[in-house]
Amino acid sequence: QTVVTQEPSFSVSPGGTVTLTCGLSSGSVSTSRFPSWYQQTPGQTPRTLIYSTNTLSSGVPDRFSGSILGNKAALTITGAQADDESDYYCVLYMGSGLWVFGGGTKLTVL
Amino acid sequence: QVQLMQSGAELKKPGASVKVPCKASGYRFTSYGINWVRQAPGQGLVWVGWINPYNGNTHYAQKFEGRVSMTTDTSRSTAYMELRTLTSDDTAVYFCARVDYGDYDDYNYMDVWGNGTTVTVSS
Repeated sequence: QTVVTQEPSFSVSPGGTVTLTCGLSSGSVSTSRFPSWYQQTPGQTPRTLIYSTNTLSSGVPDRFSGSILGNKAALTITGAQADDESDYYCVLYMGSGLWVFGGGTKLTVL
Repeated sequence: QVQLMQSGAELKKPGASVKVPCKASGYRFTSYGINWVRQAPGQGLVWVGWINPYNGNTHYAQKFEGRVSMTTDTSRSTAYMELRTLTSDDTAVYFCARVDYGDYDDYNYMDVWGNGTTVTVSS
């Protein structure tokens, strides 16, 4: 069973930079897993932030960026703002119509 | 504009089945996939499965295999997710999401989300 790992929680100061990561229980995350990132505030529909590792979804501010760092996918927020306080989910495409969600990272901005 | 419309809520008894619709509009329904994702109260997002409306191909998460069926009605641009033998653990919001494969199968992500259908399983 494939498990996608994310930090359960993270904290960043307003204006600061934070990098959230997304790993695989066995193996490395590469661009061939088409990592995507989604933001969700409680009670809301998920919002697509990044797809295909580092492509910004339409309307998403450029303080969000995606990359591969070592053997993990990464989401970096540069100049964090109060309304970035949300849950962030990484999703990997495993091929043949199979996706796996990470457990999510709860980001606090304070 | 591109939209996925979902009904608001369903209340079911344990052991029953639920069939959740997801009506697409604003795009060619058969050119994109549909993922189903669920979120139990206070929990994270979990992938349930995928259907290709073009040919009906499906892939279900192992956790739901044998209990879930995904279908589409292309004449109505509507996808359906049926979950059988419900228990209280199935109480969750069920989202449908459009899958954009990209022109060269180089995207494979969810670009548009429905608002979710809340399914409550209770006696």
